[in-house]
Amino acid sequence: KAGVTQTPRYLIKTRGQQVTLSCSPISGHRSVSWYQQTPGQGLQFLFEYFSETQRNKGNFPGRFSGRQFSNSRSEMNVSTLELGDSALYLCASSLEGRNYYEQYFGPGTRLTVT
Amino acid sequence: QKEVEQNSGPLSVPEGAIASLNCTYSDRGSQSFFWYRQYSGKSPELIMFIYSNGDKEDGRFTAQLNKASQYVSLLIRDSQPSDSATYLCAVRLRAGSYQLTFGKGTKLSVIP
Repeated sequence: KAGVTQTPRYLIKTRGQQVTLSCSPISGHRSVSWYQQTPGQGLQFLFEYFSETQRNKGNFPGRFSGRQFSNSRSEMNVSTLELGDSALYLCASSLEGRNYYEQYFGPGTRLTVT
Repeated sequence: QKEVEQNSGPLSVPEGAIASLNCTYSDRGSQSFFWYRQYSGKSPELIMFIYSNGDKEDGRFTAQLNKASQYVSLLIRDSQPSDSATYLCAVRLRAGSYQLTFGKGTKLSVIP
């Protein structure tokens, strides 16, 4: 079974631009979460989607948004990029079910803002 | 502030020894506990999860959970140089959510 896929793998953007990142979960997985990883802050939760609904959101500004489609694929968008948005953005998927909470990460998208 | 704390290391162990990684968490309502391994430049890989008090073994890995003391640990037996990586402890705090709160990770070096 194929794992979580994320595109693109690398991005270089200029401050003030916007960016859209894409995530395809493991086949059959309906829950998708996004995380930001930086050397200083570690892994921080951005948001979580299930059945096209945002179930939970982390403590990030409104410039960070996301959505989930009916096929469980998800996108996240960052508008008005800042230098501090440079990070590894990770998507994780999970098979929604009782007593099943394991999340599997994709390879990530490395975003560099200049 | 819901926190997950890990010793940042580096933790150095000789090849063949047992590596012991520890994690404490602040929220007594925490539901589920996970250990991820992350090699440099790669994404986190799930290696163990534990939901109930006690020990859980999978090959060379053993996860231990003590909810009363609010700690979870990971033991790696017969450590190999390929185990050298950063180990991330993650906690699911809330029922009905898959959100994970991560520790900053412990860097493990296995010396041949």
